[in-house]
Order: sequence, then C-alpha cells, then structure tokens
Amino acid sequence: AQSVSQHNHHVILSEAASLELGCNYSYGGTVNLFWYVQYPGQHLQLLLKYFSGDPLVKGIKGFEAEFIKSKFSFNLRKPSVQWSDTAEYFCAPSYNFNKFYFGSGTKLNVKP
Amino acid sequence: EAQVTQNPRYLITVTGKKLTVTCSQNMNHEYMSWYRQDPGLGLRQIYYSMNVEVTDKGDVPEGYKVSRKEKRNFPLILESPSPNQTSLYFCASSFITGGRFVGYTFGSGTRLTVV
Repeated sequence: AQSVSQHNHHVILSEAASLELGCNYSYGGTVNLFWYVQYPGQHLQLLLKYFSGDPLVKGIKGFEAEFIKSKFSFNLRKPSVQWSDTAEYFCAPSYNFNKFYFGSGTKLNVKP
Repeated sequence: EAQVTQNPRYLITVTGKKLTVTCSQNMNHEYMSWYRQDPGLGLRQIYYSMNVEVTDKGDVPEGYKVSRKEKRNFPLILESPSPNQTSLYFCASSFITGGRFVGYTFGSGTRLTVV
C-alpha cells in the first residue's frame, strides 16, 4: 500500500535558522507531491506542489521543496524561518490521480 | 470568494443522536472529500467523491455516511455517533485537471465532541 513518512515529528528552531523537513513516499506509479501548512487553530493551506518538470519547486512564503526521484523524497526547505512560520506541516503525495495520503505531520516551533 | 464552507464549526452531541455536518464549495470542483484529524494520527480520509452520485470509502469509513446529490454539496452523516468519533473534521475539494489533482482547498473544520 502507498504510504508517506515524515521523519521529524517536532522541530524547534530559532528565528533566521534554516529549515528542512523530510518527506519520503512509497513507490506507487505516477505520483504528484504536495506540502500543506496548518497554522494554529486554522485549516490546512497549500504551500506548494510538484507535478513534473523542474524538481525544485517554489511555493508561498519563501518555502521550496526538492523532488528527488531516486530517493523517493520531497523535502521542504526554507533558508530563514520566522516566528510566523510556527505551524504544522504535512506532506501529501497523490498516487495515480486517485487520492491524497497525508503524512502524520511535523510541528514546527520557531522561537523569536 | 472561492471557498469551502463547513457547518457547524463546533458541535457537542450525545451518543446515538444522528447529526449531519454540511460542506459546500463554490468552485465547481469535481472532487470532494472528508477527513478527520486526531493528535498523532494526522489526517485520515473518511469518504471521497469523484463527482455527483459517485462516492467511495476512504481509510476510516466506519460509522459515517455521505451523499453527493449536487456538485457543490457533500454532507457527512453520523447516524449513531459514538465517543470515538470525537475529532476535528475537515471537508476538502479539488479540481481534477488533465487527470491530476490541482490541490485541495480545505474548509475551516468542525470540532465534534460526542459525550
């Protein structure tokens, strides 16, 4: 069965630190990849997505992610985090245009 | 404004009392889905619908029903709620373009407590 793994459950950083959140997905045919963010008390919002082409995709708020096919990974990065980036981040592959699989989420806490 | 609207935002009910959580989208999306979010478990899909009158089970469908009589609406029905259905529920919708999901638009969530 298809699955997704987010390795870091809770990350604590100081402002201006660099961020990388890991995401690995299982092979299952054609895959489209998404990252979502959930700010405290709010619903999920789309950060960025990858369908094909350039494996480095840029999203909103300075986030980017790199698709590495050989490693089945789609890690999320940001060069310099801000306190307002405190949120929970979900990786979500979509296999064969059928459904999304959400990772268990990574809680990011940015200290001012 | 393009959005997914869920109602109610908060609901406290008693075991066994039937309830419906409504979901409506104004973007003409084909695909709609319900998720529940529980601490440590992430989001789990309950039911989804590829289009009108087409629904299918997700990963945790037990105890839930859905219907898709119109494209814009996708209500979630709990015929006999139990305390283990206490959770945060999200409705989401997406276009399917060229066979691909464009990406979900989520509703604001419904926090359900069953006592």
